[in-house]
Amino acid sequence: DSGVTQTPKHLITATGQRVTLRCSPRSGDLSVYWYQQSLDQGLQFLIQYYNGEERAKGNILERFSAQQFPDLHSELNLSSLELGDSALYFCASSVSPTYNSPLHFGNGTRLTVT
Amino acid sequence: AQSVTQLGSHVSVSEGALVLLRCNYSSSVPPYLFWYVQYPNQGLQLLLKYTSAATLVKGINGFEAEFKKSETSFHLTKPSAHMSDAAEYFCAVSDQGSGNTGKLIFGQGTTLQVKP
Repeated sequence: DSGVTQTPKHLITATGQRVTLRCSPRSGDLSVYWYQQSLDQGLQFLIQYYNGEERAKGNILERFSAQQFPDLHSELNLSSLELGDSALYFCASSVSPTYNSPLHFGNGTRLTVT
Repeated sequence: AQSVTQLGSHVSVSEGALVLLRCNYSSSVPPYLFWYVQYPNQGLQLLLKYTSAATLVKGINGFEAEFKKSETSFHLTKPSAHMSDAAEYFCAVSDQGSGNTGKLIFGQGTTLQVKP
């Protein structure tokens, strides 16, 4: 168990809808990362927060947004969903945003858009 | 910018045989490298990391990796495969090109099949 908790585990929704994915980092970790995993794109970095502030942005669509709350949990909001958004979304956390600080991953949320 | 390339999307070995998963990196600065394993329906689990302290890095479950600067490689090995090693393995490099974020750039992954 990595200590990173993601809910829900599975999400099935229709095109055009909006969903929220939730992540609780490991105790003591201040940095949260969101990744998208799909068969064709592999693991793609979406966005990172550190102690409540956005730290880095990757290949995140404008329809997607995220935030980190004062208790350090994070939410990833996906709106106007398209079939192509179906993927596994991972949250990871680390103690600090440094080069040698390993990321600890949750078990992911599998999103299916129909 | 940093990147990693995993050679071979699928590797099949017999139980008890040597496991060798290949990873080559590209980096203009000394890299920080990681190997992760993903079992079915689970998240990624850290196997080991290289942070320049030693070129041979030992990880969990009997895995190790050797950093070779001359070959820009960080291959993952295990002397004797177990059935439980069947999983997908990812090589990753810490992105040092966009400030101190700690985010990882992953390879495409290698699926390891272990035959009885």
